[in-house]
Amino acid sequence: DQQVKQNSPSLSVQEGRISILNCDYTNSMFDYFLWYKKYPAEGPTFLISISSIKDKNEDGRFTVFLNKSAKHLSLHIVPSQPGDSAVYFCAASANYGGATNKLIFGTGTLLAVQP
Amino acid sequence: KAGVTQTPRYLIKTRGQQVTLSCSPISGHRSVSWYQQTPGQGLQFLFEYFSETQRNKGNFPGRFSGRQFSNSRSEMNVSTLELGDSALYLCASSLAGGHRYEQYFGPGTRLTVT
Repeated sequence: DQQVKQNSPSLSVQEGRISILNCDYTNSMFDYFLWYKKYPAEGPTFLISISSIKDKNEDGRFTVFLNKSAKHLSLHIVPSQPGDSAVYFCAASANYGGATNKLIFGTGTLLAVQP
Repeated sequence: KAGVTQTPRYLIKTRGQQVTLSCSPISGHRSVSWYQQTPGQGLQFLFEYFSETQRNKGNFPGRFSGRQFSNSRSEMNVSTLELGDSALYLCASSLAGGHRYEQYFGPGTRLTVT
């Protein structure tokens, strides 16, 4: 049962344009969402997060939007740069009744930014 | 501040053997989580330790175990290795307990079981 889904395995955009990566979730208990970027042979790097009490969070070129009613979030990268080419993972967490840090990850989207 | 470190980076083992992987969290971080990444299953949660106690465990067989030391360093052990255990094992640390703390990942240990 895939609770966090990234339905686009890959995305290609031109340098300078907007990249939009999408993520859907099924578990209504999730209340905190994160995006990670991963280069080959490296661990995931934290990018940006959002709490369910917000619908938008911005950090420089990265903005995450959360639509709780649709159980959907998206990551916008503007403007896209070749160095942004990587696999992007969406992750979610919930209060499991204790102070735990279990993250549920999507399967990732490979972003290729063309010069 | 140094990031999360994992040793060794690469490991080749034979079926039936056992393996121990090590993780040193970011200084001051008390929570350490372990994840397994495979092409077919993606990133899956193994377990989490906080103050030397396991607080949560994923859906993995008992061959997978871990522990955390008083300095927050953590080890995970896999006994009786199977071919399907070949994966990238990632360790992540966070400042404290609670699911709203960002986790910071190490580079991973690539385990190959032959």
